[in-house]
Amino acid sequence: KNEVEQSPQNLTAQEGEFITINCSYSVGISALHWLQQHPGGGIVSLFMLSSGKKKHGRLIATINIQEKHSSLHITASHPRDSAVYICAPRGSNYQLIWGAGTKLIIKP
Amino acid sequence: ETGVTQSPTHLIKTRGQQVTLRCSSQSGHNTVSWYQQALGQGPQFIFQYYREEENGRGNFPPRFSGLQFPNYSSELNVNALELDDSALYLCASSFGQANTEAFFGQGTRLTVV
Repeated sequence: KNEVEQSPQNLTAQEGEFITINCSYSVGISALHWLQQHPGGGIVSLFMLSSGKKKHGRLIATINIQEKHSSLHITASHPRDSAVYICAPRGSNYQLIWGAGTKLIIKP
Repeated sequence: ETGVTQSPTHLIKTRGQQVTLRCSSQSGHNTVSWYQQALGQGPQFIFQYYREEENGRGNFPPRFSGLQFPNYSSELNVNALELDDSALYLCASSFGQANTEAFFGQGTRLTVV
């Protein structure tokens, strides 16, 4: 079993839809990152969470440390949101433990 | 724009050669991590440097080595290149080791032929 499980693996939605990506992890962590990777490789850090909820524009991230679960939500999705979204908890030796990613496609 | 710059952006090397990749951290960041991302796969942690000392390492052989300089810029060195070393190499900088935001460079795409 992988230490980090993301779902769904692939998601196609229409512009304007509310998007949820889920992440479950099995290891003890100090914090959890949500990252966005566009074609070509560039990675952008969206959020770093250790508890509760954070909001940035149309993006919302939540984490439940007791249940070892985090979610990333996108409101009013737009084609420019199309990317791979990666959940990456930070483990005890400081390294990021990368989920497999969710490939999101938003159609106009 | 994350303030983290990697060079070169693309590189082609021959099997058996050595390569040095560079990462300029965001100003004030004293921690840098390096990751290898093979095509179609998620990044794999290579190692992390904090204040010029390696303080975490993934499952990579010793021919992968690094340096962090007093200005906190960093190098990743790979000796005796193998075909499987072809990948996107990413560096991420942060302030402190654990619960801090990480900022990623655009990566260096290395092709070994």
